[in-house]
Amino acid sequence: DIVMTQTPLSLSVTPGQPASISCKSSQSLLHSDGKTYLYWYLQKPGQSPQLLIYEVSSRFSGVPDRFSGSGSGTDFTLKISRVEAEDVGVYYCMQGIHLPHTFGQGTKLEIK
Amino acid sequence: EVQLVESGGGLVQPGGSLRLSCAASGFTFSSYWMHWVRQAPGKGLVWVSRINSDGSSTSYADSVKGRFTISRDNAKNTLYLQMNSLRAEDTAVYYCARGRLRFDPWGQGTLVTVSS
Repeated sequence: DIVMTQTPLSLSVTPGQPASISCKSSQSLLHSDGKTYLYWYLQKPGQSPQLLIYEVSSRFSGVPDRFSGSGSGTDFTLKISRVEAEDVGVYYCMQGIHLPHTFGQGTKLEIK
Repeated sequence: EVQLVESGGGLVQPGGSLRLSCAASGFTFSSYWMHWVRQAPGKGLVWVSRINSDGSSTSYADSVKGRFTISRDNAKNTLYLQMNSLRAEDTAVYYCARGRLRFDPWGQGTLVTVSS
C-alpha cells in the first residue's frame, strides 16, 4: 500500500497568517495518463470531510482561492495564504493512483 | 440538492452482521462510482470499498475483504455495505461518498459499534 505521510500533525495559526501542510507519498502519484492523483480533504469539527483540491492543484467548486495545492511525484503541499477562523479542522491528503486509496494521518489546524 | 444519507449503523456483537445503506438524491445515481470510507473514534480516514456505476466492478481494503460486500440498487438510488463477521476493530463511523476519485459529497456518516 502507498503510505501517505503528513507534516506537521498539528498547526496553530494566527488569523490572517499563512499555513502550509506537507504530504509525502511512498510512491510516485504520477500516472501514465499524465495526471497526478493527489487530493486534499478538510474535515471541519463535527462534520463530514469535504473536497478541497483534486489532482494536486485544482481547487474544487466553491473552495476559496486562499487555498492552493502544489507538488509533483511524491512531494505535495497545501497552502492557505491567509487563515480564517472557518478553516479550522483536520486536513487529509489522499492518493488515488493505486488501490487501496490511502489517506495521510491528518493535520489538525487550530486558530491562535 | 445533492445529498447522501447513511443508515443502518448500531451496536452489534463481535461476529455479527449489519447492512449499511446510503440513500442518494439530487443527482443521477447510476452515473457515479461510489465509495465507503470509515473513521474509527478519534482517528483518521480509511478507505473501505468502492463500486463502479453499474455495479459490475468492486474493490475492497484487505482488512475487510471476504467479510464486507458493497452493492448498489440503481433503481432505488441506494448504495449498500453488507458487513459480516464484524470485529471490534470495525468500530467506526462509516461514510459513503460519491465519485470515482473526487469524493464529493460525503454523507453524514453512520456509527457502527462492535462490542459485547
